[in-house]
Amino acid sequence: NAGVMQNPRHLVRRRGQEARLRCSPMKGHSHVYWYRQLPEEGLKFMVYLQKENIIDESGMPKERFSAEFPKEGPSILRIQQVVRGDSAAYFCASSQGSGQPQHFGDGTRLSIL
Amino acid sequence: AQTVTQSQPEMSVQEAETVTLSCTYDTSESDYYLFWYKQPPSRQMILVIRQEAYKQQNATENRFSVNFQKAAKSFSLKISDSQLGDAAMYFCAYRRRNNAGNMLTFGGGTRLMVKP
Repeated sequence: NAGVMQNPRHLVRRRGQEARLRCSPMKGHSHVYWYRQLPEEGLKFMVYLQKENIIDESGMPKERFSAEFPKEGPSILRIQQVVRGDSAAYFCASSQGSGQPQHFGDGTRLSIL
Repeated sequence: AQTVTQSQPEMSVQEAETVTLSCTYDTSESDYYLFWYKQPPSRQMILVIRQEAYKQQNATENRFSVNFQKAAKSFSLKISDSQLGDAAMYFCAYRRRNNAGNMLTFGGGTRLMVKP
């Protein structure tokens, strides 16, 4: 049973470009969470999605950031017009239900030139 | 809002010795979960141990155990017989038990170094 798969593992973008980060949850999991980890800091919650619905986006910046989890396919975290401050590791976690343990992917390290 | 504080940015332990990592949290909830995660240089997030707040018994997993003090809102991690592979960042995390607010709230982390 494959774990949470995130790709790419590393992503380099120039300022002003768009970044798309993908997360495929574990089989049978319909709840996805995105977290951001700035250098030398802990993970900070961004958004919680269930299939086709955003449940909680209280941790996500209001501008340039969006997330989706379509009926088919992976969850996508999209960052438009990236800036240097977006450089971070972005982790996805999935769970079977809202109260179930979250399993983490290996993260995507985003670097902005 | 819930907060999680790890007051030790770095800790060091001799191989085979015991080390304790501190964590305190703030919440108005009575029912919740607490976790310790390990993040090695590979940056994976590995669940080390989990504690349910309604359980008085401290959780243990092999060489890892916790000291959960609910009244003091303290949740420390004890690593016994430390091994070189234990060297990593350790994060304490909190999650509410009810369906609202399922996100994990993490502390700032403690870097553990293990000396051979």
